[in-house]
Amino acid sequence: QKEVEQDPGPLSVPEGAIVSLNCTYSNSAFQYFMWYRQYSRKGPELLMYTYSSGNKEDGRFTAQVDKSSKYISLFIRDSQPSDSATYLCAMKGIAGNQFYFGTGTSLTVIP
Amino acid sequence: DSGVTQTPKHLITATGQRVTLRCSPRSGDLSVYWYQQSLDQGLQFLIQYYNGEERAKGNILERFSAQQFPDLHSELNLSSLELGDSALYFCASSVLGSNTEAFFGQGTRLTVV
Repeated sequence: QKEVEQDPGPLSVPEGAIVSLNCTYSNSAFQYFMWYRQYSRKGPELLMYTYSSGNKEDGRFTAQVDKSSKYISLFIRDSQPSDSATYLCAMKGIAGNQFYFGTGTSLTVIP
Repeated sequence: DSGVTQTPKHLITATGQRVTLRCSPRSGDLSVYWYQQSLDQGLQFLIQYYNGEERAKGNILERFSAQQFPDLHSELNLSSLELGDSALYFCASSVLGSNTEAFFGQGTRLTVV
């Protein structure tokens, strides 16, 4: 079983839709949860992070962590064509140096 | 621009050959990570160095090796290349102790023919 599981998609939505991206994980030691965005032919860049459980909102983006279910989500409201990218979840424990990434979900927002 | 520089951007080589990928981390970052990204496997962690010393090892093949030099740049050496090694190779850097962010370079696209 992989440490982090993420549906690869692809996901295609109309402009203005609400997008929900999800990851599940198996390691209960994970405490830091991140979402990276990767545009085509570019390196991933950090979009949001949360510590432990709870929600975090940044503009049109909301990250949610449910540690009891080992499930994290990223919601994108009023999606825009510029949101078209691959979204990768990543996780890390307090101890240890390694970031564990999901395989990424490819999102296309259609104008 | 993340501040992480990778060279070369593209590399085409034949099976059985050896290549070296180079990474310069962000100024001040002592920790360097190497990742392999392929379509079917996603982003796979290979190895991490901190201030010249190996800190963590992931799914790195024995044919692959890496090192971090005193000036903190890092090199990933791939030898006896196979067709399946064709992928994007990313370098990322972070401040050790950073639990939330690694800054990625633009990647090196390796094609083995």
